Amino acid sequence: SAVISQKPSRDICQRGTSLTIQCQVDSQVTMMFWYRQQPGQSLTLIATANQGSEATYESGFVIDKFPISRPNLTFSTLTVSNMSPEDSSIYLCSVTGQGAGELFFGEGSRLTVL
Amino acid sequence: GENVEQHPSTLSVQEGDSAVIKCTYSDSASNYFPWYKQELGKGPQLIIDIRSNVGEKKDQRIAVTLNKTAKHFSLHITETQPEDSAVYFCAAQAGNQFYFGTGTSLTVIP
Repeated sequence: SAVISQKPSRDICQRGTSLTIQCQVDSQVTMMFWYRQQPGQSLTLIATANQGSEATYESGFVIDKFPISRPNLTFSTLTVSNMSPEDSSIYLCSVTGQGAGELFFGEGSRLTVL
Repeated sequence: GENVEQHPSTLSVQEGDSAVIKCTYSDSASNYFPWYKQELGKGPQLIIDIRSNVGEKKDQRIAVTLNKTAKHFSLHITETQPEDSAVYFCAAQAGNQFYFGTGTSLTVIP
């Protein structure tokens, strides 16, 4: 399985600011995704990070709020913009394996907005 | 789209007993069903999976069964240990999308 590193692992931010989360994978992967996990909840797909083109967002998520970059096949960033306390969540980077398409997750970035 | 339901939401068992978590799905096109274990403060870890052409898969103390006709699949953990305590998520894949259940918080009581 791929090794997925996320930074920061946790942060406490002030309302109205923005935070960029980085995801680094130890091998080239085709598909990279960003998920949100609100406290005590399941995983919700924010967007698919496409290499060299704009991300594909799920219903309820927009580029202005969650801009995503993916400059190459091993790296992606997710920015949470103009944060409010409702954005307090775990943000997870995930990739599909090179084999039969298994989905693997990073350790997550735990964001608290005050 | 796909809808995955998971039960129970919480489960407590005595150490050494078995635990069973059940999921149902709605989209007959779903063909891959992974299970994840999430320990406190960590990301979800893939622990076992099953594809639609298989009815059962086992890996040591954990097993997964799939009933395509009824559209349900289950996780079985035997001889539970305290380190099995975690939140477990089922998922179903349809196309490139993964759809997750709402999670089961398993507590194994020593």
